[in-house]
Amino acid sequence: QKEVEQDPGPLSVPEGAIVSLNCTYSNSAFQYFMWYRQYSRKGPELLMYTYSSGNKEDGRFTAQVDKSSKYISLFIRDSQPSDSATYLCAMTFGGGGNKLTFGTGTQLKVEL
Amino acid sequence: DGGITQSPKYLFRKEGQNVTLSCEQNLNHDAMYWYRQDPGQGLRLIYYSQIVNDFQKGDIAEGYSVSREKKESFPLTVTSAQKNPTAFYLCASSPVAGTANTEAFFGQGTRLTVV
Repeated sequence: QKEVEQDPGPLSVPEGAIVSLNCTYSNSAFQYFMWYRQYSRKGPELLMYTYSSGNKEDGRFTAQVDKSSKYISLFIRDSQPSDSATYLCAMTFGGGGNKLTFGTGTQLKVEL
Repeated sequence: DGGITQSPKYLFRKEGQNVTLSCEQNLNHDAMYWYRQDPGQGLRLIYYSQIVNDFQKGDIAEGYSVSREKKESFPLTVTSAQKNPTAFYLCASSPVAGTANTEAFFGQGTRLTVV
């Protein structure tokens, strides 16, 4: 079993839809959770960063962490074709310089 | 502009050759990482370094080597011992070791192809 599980998709939604992306993990020691967006043939870019349980909102993006269920989510409101990319969840135990453990990524396509 | 620069963007290697991928950062980050990305497998950690002159093996270090002689630079050598080197290689860095600040920032990647 992988430490971090993420549905690879592809996930196809119409423009304007609310998108829900999820990851589950097995190690309860993870404390810091990140979502990255990766366009084809590019490096991942950091979208959201959260510590422990709770919600964090940034524009159209909301990140949720439920440590009791070992489950994290990224919601995208009013999705746009420019949101079409692969979304990677990542997590770490904490402390600067800690290595990240990644999910495999979910491929999202937002259609006109 | 602050950031992470990887070069070259595309690299072709003949079987049996060693090649070195460059990674430079001007973010003043202590920690640097090398990941390999293959379709359907996500990012897998090759090596990481938390301070100059020190580095640790990640999950798939066999066939790779690194050095960390300067804070800004963390080159990766793909040796002839790496049996399946064709992949997308990503370098990342993160802020000061020993703090709670753990976001990692990535370069734009190097696509290595064995011909």
